[in-house]
Amino acid sequence: EAQVTQNPRYLITVTGKKLTVTCSQNMNHEYMSWYRQDPGLGLRQIYYSMNVEVTDKGDVPEGYKVSRKEKRNFPLILESPSPNQTSLYFCASSFSEGHGYTFGSGTRLTVV
Amino acid sequence: DQQVKQNSPSLSVQEGRISILNCDYTNSMFDYFLWYKKYPAEGPTFLISISSIKDKNEDGRFTVFLNKSAKHLSLHIVPSQPGDSAVYFCAASVTDKLIFGTGTRLQVFP
Repeated sequence: EAQVTQNPRYLITVTGKKLTVTCSQNMNHEYMSWYRQDPGLGLRQIYYSMNVEVTDKGDVPEGYKVSRKEKRNFPLILESPSPNQTSLYFCASSFSEGHGYTFGSGTRLTVV
Repeated sequence: DQQVKQNSPSLSVQEGRISILNCDYTNSMFDYFLWYKKYPAEGPTFLISISSIKDKNEDGRFTVFLNKSAKHLSLHIVPSQPGDSAVYFCAASVTDKLIFGTGTRLQVFP
């Protein structure tokens, strides 16, 4: 089944403790992206990647890192999480620009 | 600066009637526009897209209209069904970035 898999689904952590949210897709898509969803703000792009080793900042990249060493994986790294990064995070992948992104099921992160 | 705006946070429509969801944008460089549907506890699901060189795209019950001069797009759902109840996001893409609106919650009642 074609899908985007992100883990974990739920995570509660403390301020400053480094964490990684994994994302993997099995569709051989070139485009991958991370979004956060917050009430009243919709979905905001954090980082995106057009291919292996090619990444760029989205609208809200501060406090996040990404890497794209393999085509299928696009982990999101929070080096020193803070409470304002408490949010619902989505990973997505796409064949190309203009084609619909396929989204993962989301990761609900709480930073206390 | 919100480049993609959905000014109606919610919409309520009777089953069988038409649902019209609206979206406005500010950036004339957007080259694709997309609509997504989201149920609680799930990721957004792609519904339909339209290239900036077209003014209409249809897929079953879903039709997207693009008015470039007004920088406005709309999603029509005909006929509306209870299973269409969800949050709908419009999105626009430019140079590999996909920018979303804040969403409209559609409720279809019997």
